[in-house]
Amino acid sequence: KQEVTQIPAALSVPEGENLVLNCSFTDSAIYNLQWFRQDPGKGLTSLLLIQSSQREQTSGRLNASLDKSSGRSTLYIAASQPGDSATYLCAVLSDSWGKLQFGAGTQVVVTP
Amino acid sequence: EPEVTQTPSHQVTQMGQEVILRCVPISNHLYFYWYRQILGQKVEFLVSFYNNEISEKSEIFDDQFSVERPDGSNFTLKIRSTKLEDSAMYFCARTGGATDTQYFGPGTRLTVL
Repeated sequence: KQEVTQIPAALSVPEGENLVLNCSFTDSAIYNLQWFRQDPGKGLTSLLLIQSSQREQTSGRLNASLDKSSGRSTLYIAASQPGDSATYLCAVLSDSWGKLQFGAGTQVVVTP
Repeated sequence: EPEVTQTPSHQVTQMGQEVILRCVPISNHLYFYWYRQILGQKVEFLVSFYNNEISEKSEIFDDQFSVERPDGSNFTLKIRSTKLEDSAMYFCARTGGATDTQYFGPGTRLTVL
């Protein structure tokens, strides 16, 4: 059974610092891994999708890496801004019908 | 990113009542999903829907739940007899391919009293 874990559960950094968010999963047989952002009381905004065949995916200040064999992904956010404050979720796709399995998220606060 | 809309944004109901949550589709998307998030907990998969049929459902998705896309327009989730523990945010998601990016709606907050 796939288990997805995110550590730390919460993180606070001063503005300008780089953020490093971790996601681990127990079954390496995945199709892809997706990172989302969730603002309080809001929906999920897709940030990056990284396919199982990829090692890395970049979008602007965001960079996600994937090490499938060790069951880990890392989301890097460069030069953090207060607007980056949110909860970041990772989700893995382990079956062909699209069922995503989520981690509990990392709550990020970027202080000015 | 394709826009995904859900109605209502907030639904308050009495225990035992039926509720219908709606998701407005993108015409070129074939795969639809419902997830829920109980306050303070992980986002949980409920059901996937492809080609007007359920393709996969979780243990949570029991006989009290049903989904349909009645006229090719709205994608709906019905809870026949709500329980207190059904209180959660319900998210619709859709994608053009099962292994492509999933786009989520803003959610419907369901409160069962």
